[in-house]
Amino acid sequence: QKEVEQDPGPLSVPEGAIVSLNCTYSNSAFQYFMWYRQYSRKGPELLMYTYSSGNKEDGRFTAQVDKSSKYISLFIRDSQPSDSATYLCAAGRAAGNKLTFGGGTRVLVKP
Amino acid sequence: DAMVIQNPRYQVTQFGKPVTLSCSQTLNHNVMYWYQQKSSQAPKLLFHYYDKDFNNEADTPDNFQSRRPNTSFCFLDIRSPGLGDAAMYLCATSARGSFTETQYFGPGTRLLVL
Repeated sequence: QKEVEQDPGPLSVPEGAIVSLNCTYSNSAFQYFMWYRQYSRKGPELLMYTYSSGNKEDGRFTAQVDKSSKYISLFIRDSQPSDSATYLCAAGRAAGNKLTFGGGTRVLVKP
Repeated sequence: DAMVIQNPRYQVTQFGKPVTLSCSQTLNHNVMYWYQQKSSQAPKLLFHYYDKDFNNEADTPDNFQSRRPNTSFCFLDIRSPGLGDAAMYLCATSARGSFTETQYFGPGTRLLVL
């Protein structure tokens, strides 16, 4: 079993819809969680960072972490075609430890 | 802008011919990472440097080596590339000791082995 699991998609939505992305993880020692966006043939770009449980909002993006169920989510409101990319979730145990990535979910936002 | 730079962006090499990929950063971060990412897969950590301390992942093949001559630069050497080493190679940096210690990635080098 992978430590961080993510549905590979593709997830196809119409422009303006809410994109809902999820990851589950198995290691209860994970303390901080990140979402990266990766366009085709480019490096991952950090979108959101969350420490422990709770919600964090930044513009159209909202990240949620539920440590009791080991579930992390990213919501993208008012999705745009430019949001079409692969979204990677990642988790780390503590500062100084490596990140464990999910396999990524490919998102397609259709005009 | 502070950033992570990788050169070249595309590299073609022949089977068994050594190749070196380059990463530089202007973030003054003390940790630099090398990841291998194959199509539709998660990035796989190969190794990282914390300052001058080299940390190899247990499953990283001996064929992969790294050098960090100073804070700003880090190199990935593939001594004898095989067809299975064709992938995107990502460099990332982080500031160990900072509160968030998020990793910032470069644009990647896509390696093709003929």
